[in-house]
Amino acid sequence: DVKVTQSSRYLVKRTGEKVFLECVQDMDHENMFWYRQDPGLGLRLIYFSYDVKMKEKGDIPEGYSVSREKKERFSLILESASTNQTSMYLCASSLFDSNQPQHFGDGTRLSIL
Amino acid sequence: GDSVTQMEGPVTLSEEAFLTINCTYTATGYPSLFWYVQYPGEGLQLLLKATKADDKGSNKGFEATYRKETTSFHLEKGSVQVSDSAVYFCALSDWGGTGNQFYFGTGTSLTVIP
Repeated sequence: DVKVTQSSRYLVKRTGEKVFLECVQDMDHENMFWYRQDPGLGLRLIYFSYDVKMKEKGDIPEGYSVSREKKERFSLILESASTNQTSMYLCASSLFDSNQPQHFGDGTRLSIL
Repeated sequence: GDSVTQMEGPVTLSEEAFLTINCTYTATGYPSLFWYVQYPGEGLQLLLKATKADDKGSNKGFEATYRKETTSFHLEKGSVQVSDSAVYFCALSDWGGTGNQFYFGTGTSLTVIP
């Protein structure tokens, strides 16, 4: 069965820290995505990647960067965490095929104090 | 550009009531359509999908039919249960400039009361 694993379910960090959120998929999917989810705003795409070492900005990339050194792993980096980055972060992966769905991890609830 | 519009919630129903959550889309190509469900504190789970016009996706008593003429993909269930309480997202996948891209509705919260 499809599995997308996010490294932490809950994370608490301090303002100004560099924060790493990790995501691993075991399905050999080409595409990987990072979203944040906030009440009333739905899912907003931060970054996505169609291949190793490749990245594309989504709708809200400011304050974030990503890394994809291996096909199965996609990392989201908060360069200098701020309180407005407190949110639920969701990782997803999919095949390079528009008929196939995205598969999501369980999410990381990140609090920046 | 592509987009998805789904009915706003929250929706509250009694157990065994009929459920409809409306979803309409705008797409430049020939999208695939999906419904996802999110239970509290969890990620999104695929509920059902349809990849071409007139396809019907179904799972766990939920159904949705891909209607190209009305650009709609409404979610229905004949008799809801308390365990169906969750947030439901309509989504589409379409080819973009650099590959397939996904677009999500804002989600509809459903609460089923005994």
